[in-house]
Amino acid sequence: SQQGEEDPQALSIQEGENATMNCSYKTSINNLQWYRQNSGRGLVHLILIRSNEREKHSGRLRVTLDTSKKSSSLLITASRAADTASYFCATARSYNTDKLIFGTGTRLQVFP
Amino acid sequence: DGGITQSPKYLFRKEGQNVTLSCEQNLNHDAMYWYRQDPGQGLRLIYYSQIVNDFQKGDIAEGYSVSREKKESFPLTVTSAQKNPTAFYLCASSAQGDSPLHFGNGTRLTVT
Repeated sequence: SQQGEEDPQALSIQEGENATMNCSYKTSINNLQWYRQNSGRGLVHLILIRSNEREKHSGRLRVTLDTSKKSSSLLITASRAADTASYFCATARSYNTDKLIFGTGTRLQVFP
Repeated sequence: DGGITQSPKYLFRKEGQNVTLSCEQNLNHDAMYWYRQDPGQGLRLIYYSQIVNDFQKGDIAEGYSVSREKKESFPLTVTSAQKNPTAFYLCASSAQGDSPLHFGNGTRLTVT
């Protein structure tokens, strides 16, 4: 079962613009993670935010978490063509942190 | 260089045949996971293992089997009972707790 749903499904922007992706989930979580996947490759971990955190930064990435709305957003600032990839959120539930449940992903295309 | 190795990258089989996908990690991680990814979709958990000689079913375990005889290895067998085996299979590992997942580069299985 999919825990998270990303929005939008696809996003196209120009280099230098910001990209915002949203993730909604259904149950209480221990933490939420964002991953990136280049076409035909494995996923790469980007950032983890815990349920008691509201915002986290890593380089050009900014993640927010609103547990009252069961939603998170990933902002990529000053995007580059190399940021072109699919981005997935994944949640670890409060009562079972052994496994991550992934969303359906946002496909980001950054045009040079 | 530490990481996860999945082999082969591409695998072709005839319907009715069992096939085993290899996953090896040298990260000294306790936990290992198998996910399935269908085109344009997120990842769905097949099986996971927290320690050697123990594993649990994920959300879509039917038609699959695993073993965890060594910490480094977590092979996945796709049996003839799996109705739609053609997919991209991703193996991952993590240290204990809420550590992020490290992924291999996947095996694309095509069954005809």
